[in-house]
Amino acid sequence: EAQVTQNPRYLITVTGKKLTVTCSQNMNHEYMSWYRQDPGLGLRQIYYSMNVEVTDKGDVPEGYKVSRKEKRNFPLILESPSPNQTSLYFCASSHLAGGNEQYFGPGTRLTVT
Amino acid sequence: GEDVEQSLFLSVREGDSSVINCTYTDSSSTYLYWYKQEPGAGLQLLTYIFSNMDMKQDQRLTVLLNKKDKHLSLRIADTQTGDSAIYFCAESGGYQKVTFGTGTKLQVIP
Repeated sequence: EAQVTQNPRYLITVTGKKLTVTCSQNMNHEYMSWYRQDPGLGLRQIYYSMNVEVTDKGDVPEGYKVSRKEKRNFPLILESPSPNQTSLYFCASSHLAGGNEQYFGPGTRLTVT
Repeated sequence: GEDVEQSLFLSVREGDSSVINCTYTDSSSTYLYWYKQEPGAGLQLLTYIFSNMDMKQDQRLTVLLNKKDKHLSLRIADTQTGDSAIYFCAESGGYQKVTFGTGTKLQVIP
C-alpha cells in the first residue's frame, strides 16, 4: 500500500531534549516536505527536499533540522525543543511533476513542556 | 512571500451547496489545489486546477478560478455530513514549494 508513515504519532517531551520525528515513504517520490499545523495558522512549511542530499528552508525553519540521506526517508530533528514548537507536524511526499499532488502522513502531535 | 487566505468557518445544511473561497497573492502560481482534512487525519488532495483553466468539475465538486482577482472557490453540491472537514486551499509555482491557506472548517448540519 502506498503510504507516508511518521513516528512517533504522539510525543510529550521537555524543553531542550533533542528529538527526531521520522518520515518514510514507499512511493519512490523525489519531493518530501515537513509542515506544522497550528490553530488559525493553517499549514506552514518547515523544510522541503527535492531529492537526496538536496534540502531547502520553508517558511518557518528556525529551530529545526532535516536530512535526506536516502530517497525514502526525511527525518525532522529538533536539537533543543522549546514550548513554541508544540504543534501538529505533517510529513508529505510527491513526485516532481506538474500538479504536485502531495501525499500526507498521519501527523505527529508534539508537546514540549 | 506568498499568502493564501480563507475564511475560518462555514456552516451549511445537509443537501445545500457549500462554497469555500480562497484568495492568494502569488501571481506566478501555476497550480491551485483543494485538500481535505478529516478529524485526526492528514490532508488528502481533492482536486487541483492549472492556472490557465477557469473551471474544473469533478462529480459534486466544482472549482472556479478567477486569475485576475486571484480568487479560487470550491463548490460542493448536495453537501453531506461526510463532507464535514477542514478544507485547505494551496498554491504552487511549480514543484518547489506549496503554500497552504489557514483552512476552512465546514460544518454540515443534518
